Parts: sequence; C-alpha cells; structure tokens
Amino acid sequence: GENVEQHPSTLSVQEGDSAVIKCTYSDSASNYFPWYKQELGKGPQLIIDIRSNVGEKKDQRIAVTLNKTAKHFSLHITETQPEDSAVYFCAASNSKEKLTFGTGTRLTIIP
Amino acid sequence: DAGITQSPRHKVTETGTPVTLRCHQTENHRYMYWYRQDPGHGLRLIHYSYGVKDTDKGEVSDGYSVSRSKTEDFLLTLESATSSQTSVYFCASGAITDTQYFGPGTRLTVL
Repeated sequence: GENVEQHPSTLSVQEGDSAVIKCTYSDSASNYFPWYKQELGKGPQLIIDIRSNVGEKKDQRIAVTLNKTAKHFSLHITETQPEDSAVYFCAASNSKEKLTFGTGTRLTIIP
Repeated sequence: DAGITQSPRHKVTETGTPVTLRCHQTENHRYMYWYRQDPGHGLRLIHYSYGVKDTDKGEVSDGYSVSRSKTEDFLLTLESATSSQTSVYFCASGAITDTQYFGPGTRLTVL
C-alpha cells in the first residue's frame, strides 16, 4: 500500500516569512495530493489539492508543487500570518483506494 | 464547509460498553469515511462506505463496525470499548473517492 512521509514535524517561522512543508509518497500510481489544515479542536480542512497532470497550483498565498519523478510534493505558504498557525497534513491517493495521510506538521508563526 | 456534523462531540465511557458515534452530511455525498486521530499516527482509516449499505474495512477496523442505511448517515460502533480506542474520531464525506471533507470530530475517552 501507499506510504506517505511528511517533514518537518514542527516548523516555526517569523510572521511574513515563507513556510515549506514536504511530503514523499511510495506508490507511483498515486495521482491526487491534497493538503489539509487542522486548527486546534477542529476537523481537518481541505486547503489545496493537486492532481498528477499538473506540476504546480496556486491559491493566493498557498501553492503546492508536485515532482512525479521524485515522488514528492510540497506546500508553500508565503507572507505567513498568525492565523496560518495550525497542523498541516499531506495525503496521497490513486483515486481507487483511500487517502493515505502523512503524520502532520505543526506550524507556528512567530509574531 | 461540506455540511458534516458529528454527535456526540465528547463522550466518556467505561471499558466493555458499546458506543455508537453518528455522522450526518447534508451534501448528498456518495462516499463517507471514519478515521481515528492519535498523536504520532496522523489520520488512520477505520471503515468507509461507497453507498447505502455498501461498506468496507480500512487499516484499523478491528473492534469497530459501521452501518449506512441512508445516504446522509454513517454510524460507527465500538462493540465493546477498550482503552486503546480512546481517540479523536473524524468522519469525512465526498462526492468522489479522493476529495474528502471532514466533520468537527468526536473526542472519546474509554476508562
């Protein structure tokens, strides 16, 4: 089955700086890669996703990049703000099976 | 939001008792999922459903059963609760197999 590794487990950045979270996956058949943001006491919220037919996708300050050859994908947050502090999860799926999640990154934005 | 609610939001129970958690969605999504979230493990799939009365096991299904008699409701039952089932449980739903939207979670404590 699929295995997703996520790094780093914790990340602290100054407000206004950029944050990057990286994930690798094992199943070359995986073709869907979502990112979730989980705030304290809440459920994970889908913030951006990418399919394997594109290499990059942006939504305002958030972007995701995908390298199918190397089997890794990354979340980029620019101009970080205090409300970006949360736990972020990556996931992978081959659309026939279920999502496999990474173990999460706790992002702290330092004012 | 995908219009997913979970009940109860918090529950404390004793070892050996049966427990049922409810997930309700108003999006007419075909697919529904139950996950558990534990520190260091991320989100792990317990069971999922791909239609009314159609369910299948996930990676951590032992000790759990599910039922789906209506599109909007997906029930998770712990047949005889154990302390190892103390966790936060999340329900998710989606119109297609991979894009999933999560509920707010149920915190279950088994004493």
